Amino acid sequence: DTEVTQTPKHLVMGMTNKKSLKCEQHMGHRAMYWYKQKAKKPPELMFVYSYEKLSINESVPSRFSPECPNSSLLNLHLHALQPEDSALYLCASSQEGLAAPNEQFFGPGTRLTVL
Amino acid sequence: AQSVTQLGSHVSVSEGALVLLRCNYSSSVPPYLFWYVQYPNQGLQLLLKYTTGATLVKGINGFEAEFKKSETSFHLTKPSAHMSDAAEYFCAVTYSGGYQKVTFGTGTKLQVIP
Repeated sequence: DTEVTQTPKHLVMGMTNKKSLKCEQHMGHRAMYWYKQKAKKPPELMFVYSYEKLSINESVPSRFSPECPNSSLLNLHLHALQPEDSALYLCASSQEGLAAPNEQFFGPGTRLTVL
Repeated sequence: AQSVTQLGSHVSVSEGALVLLRCNYSSSVPPYLFWYVQYPNQGLQLLLKYTTGATLVKGINGFEAEFKKSETSFHLTKPSAHMSDAAEYFCAVTYSGGYQKVTFGTGTKLQVIP
């Protein structure tokens, strides 16, 4: 299984709502990532988890809260978002602990619209 | 600090023609380089990668790229474009010791004209 799954595919939320994005992989990867991608732009790294511990936070606002409950699952909790947070949110995973970087496997993304 | 520059935000080629997408990198340490493709409303898929060793790298779907250290380039080529190659292509760079942090170029949208 070389697939990263993300749910939901689409999400519309108000600025006062609380919602969560979910990402799952069963490739045994121990590094998992959240990216934000605006239209016609490259992905921007938000968070990296390595062995279920947060290893990189790219100064993301606290209204985004990541969680890695186990080695296969990655969540992104959303609260009090702004309309400018509307974007495609991509999850990725990769092997860890290797001398050279391995490819990141990306999920199809969640298209988020904040009203 | 590392960075990637992709020349040309849009490239149009005729079906059957050569595809050339340009990527130049800047890195103070030996880079690891990648090309990803993204189809509309989908995630990114790895086409090929350069880590060490052979500088001519072959990838999926008939694509290849050559790492040229003297030119700090990693251009993507395909001898004959197919309609299904129409997509957004991203060049990306990372480095040993910090490889979780991948820097993506701004992307090149490839249009294939029948």
